[in-house]
Amino acid sequence: SYVLTQPPSVSVAPGKTARITCGGNNIGSKSVHWYQQKPGQAPVLVIYYDSDRPSGIPERFSGSNSGNTATLTISRVEAGDEADYYCQVWDSSSDHAWVFGGGTKLTVL
Amino acid sequence: EVQLVESGGGLVKPGRSLRLSCTASGFTFGDYAMSWFRQAPGKGLEWVGFIRSKAYGGTTEYAASVKGRFTISRDDSKSIAYLQMNSLKTEDTAVYYCTRDCSGGSCYSNYWGQGTLVTVSS
Repeated sequence: SYVLTQPPSVSVAPGKTARITCGGNNIGSKSVHWYQQKPGQAPVLVIYYDSDRPSGIPERFSGSNSGNTATLTISRVEAGDEADYYCQVWDSSSDHAWVFGGGTKLTVL
Repeated sequence: EVQLVESGGGLVKPGRSLRLSCTASGFTFGDYAMSWFRQAPGKGLEWVGFIRSKAYGGTTEYAASVKGRFTISRDDSKSIAYLQMNSLKTEDTAVYYCTRDCSGGSCYSNYWGQGTLVTVSS
């Protein structure tokens, strides 16, 4: 089955740029989606199809995907961005399954 | 406004069954696939399964961990998706979320319910 690897935690100072990676075998050939989840809340889609932003998501959120790594970039980080972030892909191999990364806890210092 | 409301969660003993419902509003329910995800306490997100729209045959896909035990169905006339969970195990304890996907499924989930907690314990 397909495996996505995320760093367990990322820390960044307010106003700086946070980069959260999602590693997978040839992930650049797949579409990657990113979700933000704050404590006690349902996940929120922040990036879909590698780099598209849903309406209402700030332009500070961007995504890229190439080779074996997809990246969620959050510019000018704010305290309100502190959350868990999950990457997701559709594994169209024999498993036919949604796959999530283990999640990354973003801490705003 | 798109709204998804899960219900039916609760405490259940191992080996028993439970049916969750996801009541949708604010969109044409029959045009979309509906997915279920779960999150065990303190853990990450896990996909459970989805049901495609009737335009895509209304077929289902399931995660290996629940295949053969869980069944997803839909009632387009009532705008409700169901998750029938049989032979429950303690490891099925989680918050269960329903989401809206594209018609054929396997797109992305832009709308999530608030979740319903299922606790499997003796």
